[in-house]
Amino acid sequence: SQTIHQWPATLVQPVGSPLSLECTVEGTSNPNLYWYRQAAGRGLQLLFYSVGIGQISSEVPQNLSASRPQDRQFILSSKKLLLSDSGFYLCAWSSRSSGNTIYFGEGSWLTVV
Amino acid sequence: QKEVEQNSGPLSVPEGAIASLNCTYSDRGSQSFFWYRQYSGKSPELIMSIYSNGDKEDGRFTAQLNKASQYVSLLIRDSQPSDSATYLCAVNRGTNAGKSTFGDGTTLTVKP
Repeated sequence: SQTIHQWPATLVQPVGSPLSLECTVEGTSNPNLYWYRQAAGRGLQLLFYSVGIGQISSEVPQNLSASRPQDRQFILSSKKLLLSDSGFYLCAWSSRSSGNTIYFGEGSWLTVV
Repeated sequence: QKEVEQNSGPLSVPEGAIASLNCTYSDRGSQSFFWYRQYSGKSPELIMSIYSNGDKEDGRFTAQLNKASQYVSLLIRDSQPSDSATYLCAVNRGTNAGKSTFGDGTTLTVKP
């Protein structure tokens, strides 16, 4: 069966510090991968999606970036965090074989102070 | 107009009642429809998917789809306090990218 893991689960970072969130998927090949952000009490905002290694599409302009160095690995990064980057970050995957159903990781809570 | 709209709630029902959650979408090309449940502080988990017009039942949950009216709903029978959560509706065009558009969610509270 397919599983998705992301880490760290929680982090508190000062303004201006770098960020790296990592996500891996197991049990499927060539998945579509996604990074979402959810502000407190708000809906899901799609940040990036990827249909293959090195292929990244950005949905919103921001100081975040994403990379996909391996088929089942997705990384969200920032060189300098802003207060507005605080939120709940979710990695997710989908595939044709899953009927394009999106499955989410456990999420990472980021607080920028 | 948002692409996927849901009443934000909160929707409050007594234990044992039927909870009805509604979702409308604007893209007539949408092919796949999903309901997720999200407990406070947790990630969304899939409850049901539906692809054809009509009803689809899974235990206490029934999803209803009407593509002509661009409307999808979720009924929860015999609601339990453990059903208290935010319910997210998502729609997908069925393209290779598989991107789904999510509504902002409806918060449901089931009172004992």
